[in-house]
Amino acid sequence: VQLVESGGGLVHPGRSLRLSCAASGFNFQDSAMHWVRQVPGKGPEWVSGISWKSENIGYADSVKGRFTISRDDAKNSLYLQMNSLRGEDTALYYCARADGRSHTAPPDYWGQGSLVTVSS
Amino acid sequence: EIVLTQSPGTLSLSPGQRVTLSCRASQSVTNNNLAWYQQKPGQAPRLLIYRASFRATGVPDRFSGSGSGTDFTLTISGLEPDDFAVYYCHLYGTSPLLFGPGTKVNIK
Repeated sequence: VQLVESGGGLVHPGRSLRLSCAASGFNFQDSAMHWVRQVPGKGPEWVSGISWKSENIGYADSVKGRFTISRDDAKNSLYLQMNSLRGEDTALYYCARADGRSHTAPPDYWGQGSLVTVSS
Repeated sequence: EIVLTQSPGTLSLSPGQRVTLSCRASQSVTNNNLAWYQQKPGQAPRLLIYRASFRATGVPDRFSGSGSGTDFTLTISGLEPDDFAVYYCHLYGTSPLLFGPGTKVNIK
């Protein structure tokens, strides 16, 4: 299982950023997926999850209405569109495979993360 | 909304010692949907235990999980140098998924 995140960087407050995650080594379309973020020195925070076939999606209250998760099974890719970014969104963003098809199944494999810094 | 509490916050132990980490939920956990992760500096979290007591693939049998309802425990039967890390409990099965604040296990 390999998960490689990309798209992070430095962005001004209020702007947008799109993260991507390229998956390989497993049947991507048969797995739910997650985005989890972590501020250095703090615990992980679940951001969003998407079930197989995109039937069910969930978001943390802290990002609801601003972030959108999506997947492209043909490209074995997961995405996170982040709008109206705030300083408190600064974190390392991990893509993670779920242990099952449900968007609430626990993450079992994680990428190495993509750093998002929101600052003026 | 459920809150996860982990204790202690930090432990200082010697290799070979047995360690018990605690995770408490503010409400009963459905179907024992409680997992444990290990995280070392500069690395992503690694799944150790799911459904409270089932070891993930490749996890050594010195790691064991137990508990039900609101109280859960991760036990390491004999600490090895590679085990010094931060351990997080994780509530899943319902949205939003939650992580506990973590317990750091230091070398004494």
